[in-house]
Amino acid sequence: NAGVTQTPKFRILKIGQSMTLQCTQDMNHNYMYWYRQDPGMGLKLIYYSVGAGITDKGEVPNGYNVSRSTTEDFPLRLELAAPSQTSVYFCASSHYARGEPEQYFGPGTRLTVT
Amino acid sequence: DAKTTQPPSMDCAEGRAANLPCNHSTISGNEYVYWYRQIHSQGPQYIIHGLKNNETNEMASLIITEDRKSSTLILPHATLRDTAVYYCIVRVGSYNTDKLIFGTGTRLQVFP
Repeated sequence: NAGVTQTPKFRILKIGQSMTLQCTQDMNHNYMYWYRQDPGMGLKLIYYSVGAGITDKGEVPNGYNVSRSTTEDFPLRLELAAPSQTSVYFCASSHYARGEPEQYFGPGTRLTVT
Repeated sequence: DAKTTQPPSMDCAEGRAANLPCNHSTISGNEYVYWYRQIHSQGPQYIIHGLKNNETNEMASLIITEDRKSSTLILPHATLRDTAVYYCIVRVGSYNTDKLIFGTGTRLQVFP
């Protein structure tokens, strides 16, 4: 299993541009999550999904959108990039119903908005 | 907001036990305590979790006080590769709302 994969690894955006961060997992997990991590800080939950077609807001959803059309994929969309969205973005997945306690994290996408 | 309080940093000599404390005084009866760590800028890695009993796995031990208001993560023989930020998390969740709320963690530096 590849686990949780994220693309791209790095990206520089200009203010006002849009982009989609891709996240894919091959573990048949029903739960998926998007976090952001600012320098020196812990992770903050942006959005999460408990299954295909179901998404919900986390702590810091403003400026982002998500969709979950398949079990495997959970893309994160930035519509109008702002400097405040400069951060490292982590995607994660888990399978609550199987009783597995942990979330598995991807390697992250480092985004800079200038 | 995070429901846990951790010291910002700790040092530990290689080969010694590292004891990382965490306060979670407002924890509810059905909330689990989880520990994750983040090495350099990688994605966080699960270590261990518990509800009220002490737990041990191949990575660490978790000691939870009887009143559940605090816990300690123990790395029995710290190595240089254990240098990381360690997050203590109270898992808020049920089947439909499972999520982790991260604080700022403890930066553990293991020195030779």
